[in-house]
Amino acid sequence: AQSVTQLGSHVSVSEGALVLLRCNYSSSVPPYLFWYVQYPNQGLQLLLKYTTGATLVKGINGFEAEFKKSETSFHLTKPSAHMSDAAEYFCAVTLFGNEKLTFGTGTRLTIIP
Amino acid sequence: EPEVTQTPSHQVTQMGQEVILRCVPISNHLYFYWYRQILGQKVEFLVSFYNNEISEKSEIFDDQFSVERPDGSNFTLKIRSTKLEDSAMYFCASSEASLRGSPYGYTFGSGTRLTVV
Repeated sequence: AQSVTQLGSHVSVSEGALVLLRCNYSSSVPPYLFWYVQYPNQGLQLLLKYTTGATLVKGINGFEAEFKKSETSFHLTKPSAHMSDAAEYFCAVTLFGNEKLTFGTGTRLTIIP
Repeated sequence: EPEVTQTPSHQVTQMGQEVILRCVPISNHLYFYWYRQILGQKVEFLVSFYNNEISEKSEIFDDQFSVERPDGSNFTLKIRSTKLEDSAMYFCASSEASLRGSPYGYTFGSGTRLTVV
């Protein structure tokens, strides 16, 4: 079975500071990993995904994530936070041959002016 | 940019009533999904649909639930006899290819908030 754990249901950072949202996965086989963002009253938007190949994945809006097998992690980072980054962020995992995503509980990111 | 459209945005229904949640996926997409999020909980997979049949479903998706693509453009989720615990945000999603094959992953709709009273 696959699962993801997001550490920190709420994260606050100052505008211009580094954003780090943590995600650890559990999977018996190599996983495919995703980060989604949800702005208020909107659907889930894909930020980035890792399937195979390069372990550092770049996504939209300046976000990136690194797949670290040894740490079973897929943390999301952005060098400099912007007010528009305030949203809820979800890590998700799926396995080869599987069409369903298993989501984490989400992290609400607040940006302090 | 193409969108997945869900209607209504909010629906209130009485316990025991049937409810149909409607979704219009992106027109060239072939894979369709329903997820739900109970308030304060995780987003949970319900069902995936491809080639006019269910390809995978979760344990949540019991006999009270059904999906249909009645006319080639809409994708619906029906709950036959709603329970209080069915209250949640329901998200529809579509994808042009399988989850691994699509560079865009799913495209999600904005959701329908279902409140069962």
